Amino acid sequence: EDQVTQSPEALRLQEGESSSLNCSYTVSGLRGLFWYRQDPGKGPEFLFTLYSAGEEKEKERLKATLTKKESFLHITAPKPEDSATYLCAVLYTGANSKLTFGKGITLSVRP
Amino acid sequence: ETGVTQSPTHLIKTRGQQVTLRCSSQSGHNTVSWYQQALGQGPQFIFQYYREEENGRGNFPPRFSGLQFPNYSSELNVNALELDDSALYLCASSYSGRGHEQYFGPGTRLTVT
Repeated sequence: EDQVTQSPEALRLQEGESSSLNCSYTVSGLRGLFWYRQDPGKGPEFLFTLYSAGEEKEKERLKATLTKKESFLHITAPKPEDSATYLCAVLYTGANSKLTFGKGITLSVRP
Repeated sequence: ETGVTQSPTHLIKTRGQQVTLRCSSQSGHNTVSWYQQALGQGPQFIFQYYREEENGRGNFPPRFSGLQFPNYSSELNVNALELDDSALYLCASSYSGRGHEQYFGPGTRLTVT
């Protein structure tokens, strides 16, 4: 069964303290990997799509990277407003457009 | 550009009842997917609709059913509600053939008592 595993489950950072969130996935048949941000009680907000190993995308303080077996979401000098749950989802070959999600990483940034 | 909207925002139902949730897709999108998100978990795929036909289904029983209308809006119907159906139900729209990026609505919080 296709699986997506995110780590750590929760991360507490001081404002300005950079870190990385990890997403590992079943290797075969990757069509795309997606990062979302979700605030409590709201729907996920699309951040990035990555399609092939070596690809990188950036948006403000966030940078997503992809290797053949995992993806990282790097957060540089985070601010309290970056506090949220970050979800990773994978689209596999033959799965139509079904996204397989990880459980998410809850990030808290203290001022 | 209008985003994905869902109604109602919250809903409380009794075990055994039936419920209908509604979703309007983002303008320009022709595909709608439905997900169930339990507290503390990632969203789980229920099914997807494309051109008014079911285009893939996750591991959910037949009492979960759906429709897509010609304007690409969609409904999720759940019969014989169970306590475990309590969750946030998310609708996502996308354009088939363009990157598979799915854009989510705010969700409907369903509580079954």
